[in-house]
Amino acid sequence: AQTVTQSQPEMSVQEAETVTLSCTYDTSESNYYLFWYKQPPSRQMILVIRQEAYKQQNATENRFSVNFQKAAKSFSLKISDSQLGDTAMYFCAFMKPPYNTGGFKTIFGAGTRLFVKA
Amino acid sequence: DAGVTQSPTHLIKTRGQQVTLRCSPKSGHDTVSWYQQALGQGPQFIFQYYEEEERQRGNFPDRFSGHQFPNYSSELNVNALLLGDSALYLCASSWGPKGSPLHFGNGTRLTVT
Repeated sequence: AQTVTQSQPEMSVQEAETVTLSCTYDTSESNYYLFWYKQPPSRQMILVIRQEAYKQQNATENRFSVNFQKAAKSFSLKISDSQLGDTAMYFCAFMKPPYNTGGFKTIFGAGTRLFVKA
Repeated sequence: DAGVTQSPTHLIKTRGQQVTLRCSPKSGHDTVSWYQQALGQGPQFIFQYYEEEERQRGNFPDRFSGHQFPNYSSELNVNALLLGDSALYLCASSWGPKGSPLHFGNGTRLTVT
């Protein structure tokens, strides 16, 4: 079974600085998808960034970028120029391609609570 | 463009009762997944519906059941509520089977007393 581990329960960063959130996962699959989701205190979960395992190039979305190390099964998120609005829970997630039933499952880590300080 | 909507937002039930939670997916989405999120933890996958059928299920007892309607909306039913069922229930919709990210609703906060 696939598992996702986020080893940092809480982190803090000063506004405008850079922070990196760690994530490791365990799978025997070769083709899969990885995501980072953000859940602000208002609680609606939103997508931050998506990575396809067969693509070696690391995904980037504005101030957010990932370091995807497939062999190490590592998928860290770097937030540059941190802003107060980045304060949230961040979840790393793994999606296996569809099963023969046509369904798929996204598995989430336990999350990292990030505080951005002014 | 309406996003994922869930109702109700909050619900208080008594142990042993039954509850139904509702979800309307984002426009254009055909797949609905349900998650249970305990306080301070990551979402746990309950099940997924596509074409009105349950396609995948997580490690949840049969007390948890669901349904998807022809308009892609979905319901989550929980029977014989336990205190441990108290959680935030999240509905997420997506389109297509291949790596489409999830779009979440605001969730339903269920409290079982």
